[in-house]
Amino acid sequence: EAQVTQNPRYLITVTGKKLTVTCSQNMNHEYMSWYRQDPGLGLRQIYYSMNVEVTDKGDVPEGYKVSRKEKRNFPLILESPSPNQTSLYFCASSASGNTIYFGEGSWLTVV
Amino acid sequence: EDQVTQSPEALRLQEGESSSLNCSYTVSGLRGLFWYRQDPGKGPEFLFTLYSAGEEKEKERLKATLTKKESFLHITAPKPEDSATYLCAVWGGGSEKLVFGKGTKLTVNP
Repeated sequence: EAQVTQNPRYLITVTGKKLTVTCSQNMNHEYMSWYRQDPGLGLRQIYYSMNVEVTDKGDVPEGYKVSRKEKRNFPLILESPSPNQTSLYFCASSASGNTIYFGEGSWLTVV
Repeated sequence: EDQVTQSPEALRLQEGESSSLNCSYTVSGLRGLFWYRQDPGKGPEFLFTLYSAGEEKEKERLKATLTKKESFLHITAPKPEDSATYLCAVWGGGSEKLVFGKGTKLTVNP
């Protein structure tokens, strides 16, 4: 079954404590991306990757890092989380330009 | 800059009452327009991709159409299980970013 898997699904953390949200896809897709979704603001792109070792900023990259060492994985790193990064995060993947598949989301609360 | 505007923000229908959702867009070189359905707390679920003006796609009670400036999602005889937020997104030729609208929240009452 085609899947985009994110972990953790739910996380409460404290300000400044580094965390990583993992994302893995089993469809051999070149393109992967991270979004955050906030009430009234919709889905906004954080970072995307066209292929292994190729990443670029989206609309709201501040405070986030990503890496793409393997085709199937695209972790999102929050080096020093702050309360304004409390949000619902989605990872997505696509065979470039085609249908984009989303994970189930990761609820992150930073206190 | 690519932009997507969806209307209305919210729509309430009675079961069986057909209607349409609108997605207006501006993009340099459309590579694809996507419709997604999203249930609360869940990831967006893919519905349709449209690539060129005049294209239409159907799935059960849903039909998506595309012109050079907008797309419509027509819902025929909706049922309560069609209640969800419907998202429209565009992928422009000058960017590798998918730009989303803010969605239309559809509620279908029995």
